[in-house]
Amino acid sequence: KQEVTQIPAALSVPEGENLVLNCSFTDSAIYNLQWFRQDPGKGLTSLLLIQSSQREQTSGRLNASLDKSSGRSTLYIAASQPGDSATYLCAVAGGTSYGKLTFGQGTILTVHP
Amino acid sequence: DAGITQSPRHKVTETGTPVTLRCHQTENHRYMYWYRQDPGHGLRLIHYSYGVKDTDKGEVSDGYSVSRSKTEDFLLTLESATSSQTSVYFCASHTSGDYNEQFFGPGTRLTVL
Repeated sequence: KQEVTQIPAALSVPEGENLVLNCSFTDSAIYNLQWFRQDPGKGLTSLLLIQSSQREQTSGRLNASLDKSSGRSTLYIAASQPGDSATYLCAVAGGTSYGKLTFGQGTILTVHP
Repeated sequence: DAGITQSPRHKVTETGTPVTLRCHQTENHRYMYWYRQDPGHGLRLIHYSYGVKDTDKGEVSDGYSVSRSKTEDFLLTLESATSSQTSVYFCASHTSGDYNEQFFGPGTRLTVL
């Protein structure tokens, strides 16, 4: 059974810092990995998706990497802003064409001015 | 963002009553999913659909049933609601193909008294 772990569970940083969120998974037979953002009381917003054959994806100040063999992914946020405060979720899709996602518990990020 | 709506957005019901949650998407996505989100458990897959009338169980399917009679609608039914089904329910969907980026609805907060 796939298990996804996110470290740290919570992170508080001053504005402007670069930061890294970590995600690890136990079964390397994944189809893809997706990072989401969730604001309190809201739904999930997709940030980045990395296919199993890819090593990284970038969108603006966000960069996600994937090392499938070691079961790890990182989400790098450059020049953090208070608006980045949210919960960040990592999810992996199993090795089929269906997108059944297994989620980590999330990292609660607070960026203070 | 993908056009995914959920109804109702909030519902309070009593133990033993039937409840149906609706997910509607306007993207013509083939695949649709129901997840529940609970503190300490994160997001877990309840049921999913890979086409009209094609559904299957997820990780936490006991006490739930689903139906999909049209591409755009995916219904989740709690036949006899229990307090353990108090949760936030999210619907998600994606198209087929290699780029299985999954998009989520805004969620339904269900309270079973």
